Order: sequence, then structure tokens, then C-alpha cells
Amino acid sequence: QQQVKQSPQSLIVQKGGISIINCAYENTAFDYFPWYQQFPGKGPALLIAIRPDVSEKKEGRFTISFNKSAKQFSLHIMDSQPGDSATYFCAASGRNNQGGKLIFGQGTELSVKP
Amino acid sequence: KAGVTQTPRYLIKTRGQQVTLSCSPISGHRSVSWYQQTPGQGLQFLFEYFSETQRNKGNFPGRFSGRQFSNSRSEMNVSTLELGDSALYLCASSRFGTGTTYEQYFGPGTRLTVT
Repeated sequence: QQQVKQSPQSLIVQKGGISIINCAYENTAFDYFPWYQQFPGKGPALLIAIRPDVSEKKEGRFTISFNKSAKQFSLHIMDSQPGDSATYFCAASGRNNQGGKLIFGQGTELSVKP
Repeated sequence: KAGVTQTPRYLIKTRGQQVTLSCSPISGHRSVSWYQQTPGQGLQFLFEYFSETQRNKGNFPGRFSGRQFSNSRSEMNVSTLELGDSALYLCASSRFGTGTTYEQYFGPGTRLTVT
């Protein structure tokens, strides 16, 4: 019940295209859903996050769509660029004192071809 | 504002030895969480410290331990190292209070190799 399942494992997109990564969770106690971007040799960097009271959040070219009833959320990268090539992780954490415990998906390796 | 810093960045140890890793959170952040990242298991939560107290713990053996100091800096220790402990150990800090959730910011990690 603590798992977060992420797909696809890898993704190849042409420059200018839309990259879509999906995640699903089971634990209804989760109430915070961030996405992280990680480049080789670096720590994960927070990209964007959402809470279950909204269905969509957009920051620049990055959008999170959230479906509370389906317990699914996804990251859309619009106008994908070669510089977006990295590994992306979705995550979830619970409310109150569980907030410091992020449960991560397995990651998606994104490659954007020029 | 300086980010999360971790020392050392790279470490090579022998099976059976012990190791201590250090993390300095972003100024003003009181919560420090530790994660282990491996190609096979991905990112796994180890533990979280808030105000010098362990607030959450993951499913790791007792060989993995940590502590937090009054200035919010944190250390984690792994005793009796095993080959499978080779991983990138990541520290993340947050402004967490009680009953709220804030963003976690990660450091660059410590790459531990056990031979």
C-alpha cells in the first residue's frame, strides 16, 4: 500500500514533442505529490508538486494532472528540449508528521532527440 | 541561499567497516531526511529527523542509524558494511513543522562504494 508505481521506465521523445510520465498510488493517506528531475551525478531537484485538492498545476512547460478518484497523477513536459533529458521521479508523502517520508516511483529515463 | 551540502562526496570502504556521512541542511530548515539510491531498488527512505528526534523510519536494518544536532545538521552511520550497502546516499532538508508538509530539497549525495 506504500508503493508508487511509475511508467514508462524509459521514454524517447522528439524535440518539441510532449513527454508524458504516469504514476499511480494506493495509499489514500498520501496528500502531497512532487516530481523530481535528476541528472547523472546530481541529487534530485524538485520540479513541481501538487496536492489532492486541485486537478492540475502548471509551471512553465511542466504540468501535473491529478485524478484523485483513480489515484493517478502524471507529468506533462510540453515542447520537450534536449536539456530535459534526465531521469524523472514521482513521489508521494502523507499528511501531518508523515510529510518527511517521500515514497518514490522507480523513475523514468527521458531522452529528447534533437 | 546555500543548498543542502553533504560530505564526503565519495567514499570507499571495506566490508565490515563502519562509515559516517554528514549533511548540512538549508539554513532555517529543521527537518532532514535520508534516502538510499541504487539502480535496483531506486530511491528508498531511510529516516527523518526533526528537532533532533527521529520522526519517521524506513525499512532498513538497525545497522543504519542517524542523529541530528541542535543546529539541524545531521549524520547517518552504517555499521558492519556489506557489499549491498554500495549506493548513493542522499540527504534532503525541509522547513517542516507539525501538521504541515513542505518541499524537500536534496543535496548532491555521497557515493559510497563497499569493496
